[in-house]
Amino acid sequence: QSALTQPPSASGSPGQSVTISCTGTSSDVGRYDFVSWYQEHPGKAPKLIIFEVGKRPSGVPDRFSGSKSGNTASLTVSGLQAEDEADYYCSSYAGSLILFGGGTKLTVL
Amino acid sequence: QLVESGGGLVQPGGSLRLSCAASGFNFNNEYMSWVRQAPGKGLEWVAKIKPDGSQQYYVDSVKGRFAISRDNAKNSLYLQMNSLRAEDTALYYCARETWWRFDPWGQGTLVTVSS
Repeated sequence: QSALTQPPSASGSPGQSVTISCTGTSSDVGRYDFVSWYQEHPGKAPKLIIFEVGKRPSGVPDRFSGSKSGNTASLTVSGLQAEDEADYYCSSYAGSLILFGGGTKLTVL
Repeated sequence: QLVESGGGLVQPGGSLRLSCAASGFNFNNEYMSWVRQAPGKGLEWVAKIKPDGSQQYYVDSVKGRFAISRDNAKNSLYLQMNSLRAEDTALYYCARETWWRFDPWGQGTLVTVSS
């Protein structure tokens, strides 16, 4: 199975909102609500920020939200802050394996 | 907390064994996975193992070459990598897997396959 599709880059100014998409198929994103999002700062391990489409682990600001429609999941970062500049990866359960997206580099202008 | 070790430089066709020491949670009750990231590339799930070690799952590209195992008495996870290829070059993370999400992650150990 192929990786999930994410835009390679996204950007926004401080205080704005940015949405990153993650497109899969009816065999992964479209079939299961086990979509997660990870934030990765340079040189750091990935950090879980959204799980099961729209749930936030404790400690993750509510500026981060997730949703899904059909075969596409989305991560929205509201009230952009400088520290949000990072790479973001989506993942989805796909029946017998877990697929990741190619990653989106979010730049805070 | 998860701490990986065992990475290094290995020639194509060679072998390497990665280890991951876990602490701060009940390791015996958790699914564990290895996830890798090639230089400048995205994340790729590699393998996972049931809490009791009775079943393992692999991405197609490593089936027959890699073996995931665990020692619950030592709170440790392993990845035996054989017949290594250049395309296996990556930073290898261990991670606790709960309902197909990964949290937490270790800091990773770098595997370089090159002659």
